[in-house]
Amino acid sequence: SQQGEEDPQALSIQEGENATMNCSYKTSINNLQWYRQNSGRGLVHLILIRSNEREKHSGRLRVTLDTSKKSSSLLITASRAADTASYFCATVRSNDYKLSFGAGTTVTVRA
Amino acid sequence: DAGVIQSPRHEVTEMGQEVTLRCKPISGHDYLFWYRQTMMRGLELLIYFNNNVPIDDSGMPEDRFSAKMPNASFSTLKIQPSEPRDSAVYFCASRPDGSNQPQHFGDGTRLSIL
Repeated sequence: SQQGEEDPQALSIQEGENATMNCSYKTSINNLQWYRQNSGRGLVHLILIRSNEREKHSGRLRVTLDTSKKSSSLLITASRAADTASYFCATVRSNDYKLSFGAGTTVTVRA
Repeated sequence: DAGVIQSPRHEVTEMGQEVTLRCKPISGHDYLFWYRQTMMRGLELLIYFNNNVPIDDSGMPEDRFSAKMPNASFSTLKIQPSEPRDSAVYFCASRPDGSNQPQHFGDGTRLSIL
């Protein structure tokens, strides 16, 4: 079952612009993870944020987590054509090892 | 370091046939997961193993599906008999022990049942 819901479902931006996508979830979590999937490929882990963290950065990626609202956001700054992909949030509940994925956001970066 | 390796990458077969998907996890990873991805249902966890032992198979859709992990470096997902609705991309992922660890995915097997 999918716990996370991403918003928007699809996003089209110009190269150089920022892309922001959101994820909402339903239950208490141990951590929340963001993955990228290029067409025809497997998922690649981008960033993991623990439930006691509020913000995390990795290169051009910035992730926030608001456990009171049960939501997270992923910001990609200065987007490039190579960022074109689907992005998924996934949650891990406490005392568990399973990932529950959302439906994903498809990002298209136009050159 | 090699990533998670899945084979075959593509499989096309007729309904009723047995299908076997294979996965080699990353060396040293204690957990192995099998997922199925479809447009309608997204990414679904089918089963996962810890130290070669199945821990949770609640996502396995029905008895036609079975998974094994005979050793730390190999796992199979078998569908017998296959049906057209089993058509999907099947992913294998592994992760090391410890909390707050990401999963590492293979490139998947695209399965088409005619």
